[in-house]
Amino acid sequence: GEDVEQSLFLSVREGDSSVINCTYTDSSSTYLYWYKQEPGAGLQLLTYIFSNMDMKQDQRLTVLLNKKDKHLSLRIADTQTGDSAIYFCAEEYSSASKIIFGSGTRLSIRP
Amino acid sequence: EAGVAQSPRYKIIEKRQSVAFWCNPISGHATLYWYQQILGQGPKLLIQFQNNGVVDDSQLPKDRFSAERLKGVDSTLKIQPAKLEDSAVYLCASSLVAGEETQYFGPGTRLLVL
Repeated sequence: GEDVEQSLFLSVREGDSSVINCTYTDSSSTYLYWYKQEPGAGLQLLTYIFSNMDMKQDQRLTVLLNKKDKHLSLRIADTQTGDSAIYFCAEEYSSASKIIFGSGTRLSIRP
Repeated sequence: EAGVAQSPRYKIIEKRQSVAFWCNPISGHATLYWYQQILGQGPKLLIQFQNNGVVDDSQLPKDRFSAERLKGVDSTLKIQPAKLEDSAVYLCASSLVAGEETQYFGPGTRLLVL
């Protein structure tokens, strides 16, 4: 079945790295996504990774993909207060050409 | 480039009333999506349009929800009659094509059914 799972909460100290983890079910997914949602706003695409890649880096963001374990992670280096948000992992469910979202991880930053 | 526009931003209605939401996708985007996001959950796809045709409406509660995209551009989503459990944020997204292109989301319409 279609399922994307994430932990609900993560708290990190300002300046530390944040690592948000996600597991997915569709081994034939072509794309895997990370979206950010700030309070009262829609979802903003942060980054995505093709399934034939292991890692993608974009400034402070690093995405790691372990296809064998169907595990995706997002690392945010030097976490800032502006990074406080809910982060959604999503996979393209290829058999139906649709995107399935996880329930989101709420990242809070402490001083 | 203008983003996905949605209106209204907020709506409060009583159960059994009707409500409609409007979405204007990014210019040139053929695919349009409506999602329902219940508090504390990720978005759930309700319906996907490719131009003015429906690609996937398997998760749409068709007894009370309807959506249309008559000219392949703007879209409306209607709930008639609304139930308490319809309280959610309704997100519209668009992409250039289906499946292989990034989806861009609007700010959403927050619906509260009393």
